[in-house]
Amino acid sequence: NAGVTQTPKFRILKIGQSMTLQCTQDMNHNYMYWYRQDPGMGLKLIYYSVGAGITDKGEVPNGYNVSRSTTEDFPLRLELAAPSQTSVYFCASSFYPGQGDGELFFGEGSRLTVL
Amino acid sequence: KQEVTQIPAALSVPEGENLVLNCSFTDSAIYNLQWFRQDPGKGLTSLLLIQSSQREQTSGRLNASLDKSSGRSTLYIAASQPGDSATYLCAVRPQGAQKLVFGQGTRLTINP
Repeated sequence: NAGVTQTPKFRILKIGQSMTLQCTQDMNHNYMYWYRQDPGMGLKLIYYSVGAGITDKGEVPNGYNVSRSTTEDFPLRLELAAPSQTSVYFCASSFYPGQGDGELFFGEGSRLTVL
Repeated sequence: KQEVTQIPAALSVPEGENLVLNCSFTDSAIYNLQWFRQDPGKGLTSLLLIQSSQREQTSGRLNASLDKSSGRSTLYIAASQPGDSATYLCAVRPQGAQKLVFGQGTRLTINP
């Protein structure tokens, strides 16, 4: 039972490079989320999706893009990486409340450093 | 706008004590409330999920309560152990909302 899987776990980028953080879940969840957590700080929502083909901005979407072509996958794209994007990124998923109990499950995180 | 507060931000207690972590929220119209644990450098692990119609949930030495009318939830940890040291976060899912609202967490240290 894999749950929410994120890759890569660690990555170092140079300023201006681009990359995609992968997130996949095998629980058939409708809702998926991307958060970032800076050292010693709380979670900030970047983007979320309520189903395939539907995405919306969270609190801190600038510098990121997402897509949701399937129920299982929700990749996060970083364009033109900046030092301010150095953070730990978490993907999470849940059922739509009412379809399930709405419990949120997290991946193990992707630690990104931009130099 | 829903806001979630966890006080204190940090707590240090000796091993073996029973302790209570607090979570308060400003709007009682919630679908559920969830408690998480986060170890340093790790992801968030779900501990307990309480639906709005429930008053408490228990798992092993953990018991979470929910009082919607007062906007409060508590996480009770019995017979604390050094392995319980972690940051504990609570999050509420407002009714009709697609996004959860997280507290800032309480960093718990259990001293041997």
